[in-house]
Amino acid sequence: DTGVSQDPRHKITKRGQNVTFRCDPISEHNRLYWYRQTLGQGPEFLTYFQNEAQLEKSRLLSDRFSAERPKGSFSTLEIQRTEQGDSAMYLCASSLSPQSPLHFGNGTRLTVT
Amino acid sequence: AQSVTQPDIHITVSEGASLELRCNYSYGATPYLFWYVQSPGQGLQLLLKYFSGDTLVQGIKGFEAEFKRSQSSFNLRKPSVHWSDAAEYFCAVGARSGGGADGLTFGKGTHLIIQP
Repeated sequence: DTGVSQDPRHKITKRGQNVTFRCDPISEHNRLYWYRQTLGQGPEFLTYFQNEAQLEKSRLLSDRFSAERPKGSFSTLEIQRTEQGDSAMYLCASSLSPQSPLHFGNGTRLTVT
Repeated sequence: AQSVTQPDIHITVSEGASLELRCNYSYGATPYLFWYVQSPGQGLQLLLKYFSGDTLVQGIKGFEAEFKRSQSSFNLRKPSVHWSDAAEYFCAVGARSGGGADGLTFGKGTHLIIQP
């Protein structure tokens, strides 16, 4: 079990730029989740995939955000035209089934200047 | 919609003392319940989970939690804390039905400080 891997660990970008994050889940897990965590808050659900299908998106996921999981393995989260309010830790998690606990990666910390 | 309340933002405990972190949830049926711990700059690590059965669940690192349906609570306890327990603790509730809503809803967390 190599765990959930996220890349990069840190990203600093200027307002208006696009950024993309990658998540590699635990290999046998077919469910993959993206969460956002701001300072002093718990993680907030953004979206999740079962295999390659994106099954739910939170209202937090504005049109500037897009997530993909093209082959049902790794996933990418892209933020277009970043805003300072996008600064947060973006966490990826995976699980084997709805009844299984989520396994989290160490996150990507985004700072928008 | 489900929700989680962790009433204590910060808790300070002396090393070796007992600990209880409070968690109250709101959900229309019997939920899945979880406690996670997060060290600075890290992801979340699962401490324990409740799905069904015995309402007192044991987790890693000597933690336990008790599901009390009548109080809609799932408080986390440890009989004797260690300095390494200092971290952020999150309670979370998950919906039982798949239906697209099986992601977790987290509380805002409790920051645990350990005094020597």
